[in-house]
Amino acid sequence: NAGVTQTPKFRVLKTGQSMTLLCAQDMNHEYMYWYRQDPGMGLRLIHYSVGEGTTAKGEVPDGYNVSRLKKQNFLLGLESAAPSQTSVYFCASSGIRYEQYFGPGTRLTVT
Amino acid sequence: KQEVTQIPAALSVPEGENLVLNCSFTDSAIYNLQWFRQDPGKGLTSLLLIQSSQREQTSGRLNASLDKSSGRSTLYIAASQPGDSATYLCVYSGGSNYKLTFGKGTLLTVNP
Repeated sequence: NAGVTQTPKFRVLKTGQSMTLLCAQDMNHEYMYWYRQDPGMGLRLIHYSVGEGTTAKGEVPDGYNVSRLKKQNFLLGLESAAPSQTSVYFCASSGIRYEQYFGPGTRLTVT
Repeated sequence: KQEVTQIPAALSVPEGENLVLNCSFTDSAIYNLQWFRQDPGKGLTSLLLIQSSQREQTSGRLNASLDKSSGRSTLYIAASQPGDSATYLCVYSGGSNYKLTFGKGTLLTVNP
């Protein structure tokens, strides 16, 4: 039981490049989330999903897209990276009790 | 809009001291409240989850309480150790949705 895993752990992008972050969970959770964490800002919700095939916008969705084609995976895409997207990205999942389990994070730097 | 406030923002104590971290929230329609620990450069580790029907939860040296009427939760750490040094986050889940509201955390330093 690996819990929540994230790929990659680190990434450096140049402005305008695109990339996809992968989140996978093996707990059969319905809900999955993508957050970003910035100094002094706390965690902010980017997008979330309440089940396979569904996605919804969170607090800071601009510049990001997501997909949940399979229940266990939640993908976060950056179509055209900007320096303002330099952050640590966390994926989380939760089940019926809404107790959230977090992945180890992806540290992204956009130059 | 739901707000979660954590006080103090930072706390430094000598090893062995008992301590209390405070969390307050504005919406009493709470579903559950979760306390997390985050070490520098690491992810969030769940410590305790209190459902709205519960008053407290305990795990080892940790005890979390919930008072819905006053909109407060506390995390009590007994006999603190240097390994307890981390940022502690209070996270609110409202009954009307499954999205969480995060506090900004309390940075705890336990000095040997």
